[in-house]
Amino acid sequence: DIQMTQSPSTLSASVGDRVTITCRASQSIENWLAWYQQKPGKAPNVLIQKASSLESGVPSRFSGSGSGTEFTLSISSLQTDDIATYYCQQYHSYPWTFGQGTKVEIK
Amino acid sequence: QITLKESGPTLVKPTQTLTLTCTFSGFSLSTAGVGVAWIRQPPGKALEWLAVTHWNDANHNTPSLKNRLTITKDTSKNQVVLTMTNMDPVDTATYFCAHRLVWMGLNYWGQGILVTVSS
Repeated sequence: DIQMTQSPSTLSASVGDRVTITCRASQSIENWLAWYQQKPGKAPNVLIQKASSLESGVPSRFSGSGSGTEFTLSISSLQTDDIATYYCQQYHSYPWTFGQGTKVEIK
Repeated sequence: QITLKESGPTLVKPTQTLTLTCTFSGFSLSTAGVGVAWIRQPPGKALEWLAVTHWNDANHNTPSLKNRLTITKDTSKNQVVLTMTNMDPVDTATYFCAHRLVWMGLNYWGQGILVTVSS
């Protein structure tokens, strides 16, 4: 199985800060990676597909980059509405696997 | 507009079989490239992918559940059914179904259903 490791597990930042979350794969997944945002009690919502393709309707302050084994999700200017847990997921090969999540809080 | 909704029991006893149904609208599972997946999330924990079925009958399950899972589709009813045998309290989780297109992630999700395993 491909292991997905996210860092940090928790991130505390101020409104307006640039925030970066890292996701590392245990082997190359090319660019077959998605990022999801999940708010408490809700289903996840896809933000980024194919590592860097912004999903329609997602604010442009979100961006994704990377390929191979290292990927990042960035929020250019953190807003209060961005408080959530973020997950990466590889769909390069079965079984699909998720990272353990990064909880983003407001400082 | 694509929507998905999970249904089934919210309480099952240990050793019982869980059957969950995902009923969807706005797309067809007979359309090339379309798939429906199941994902679960124990309370306070991370997401775990369980299974996926595709328009071409290509099905895949997570090996971590050791053949306890079966995924089937009924294209005429717009439903996907997940069956999980020999339920255990560690299987307590919110179960989600989600839509995907081949070469893409999971772009539409159901609201989820919390299933508790307890005697």
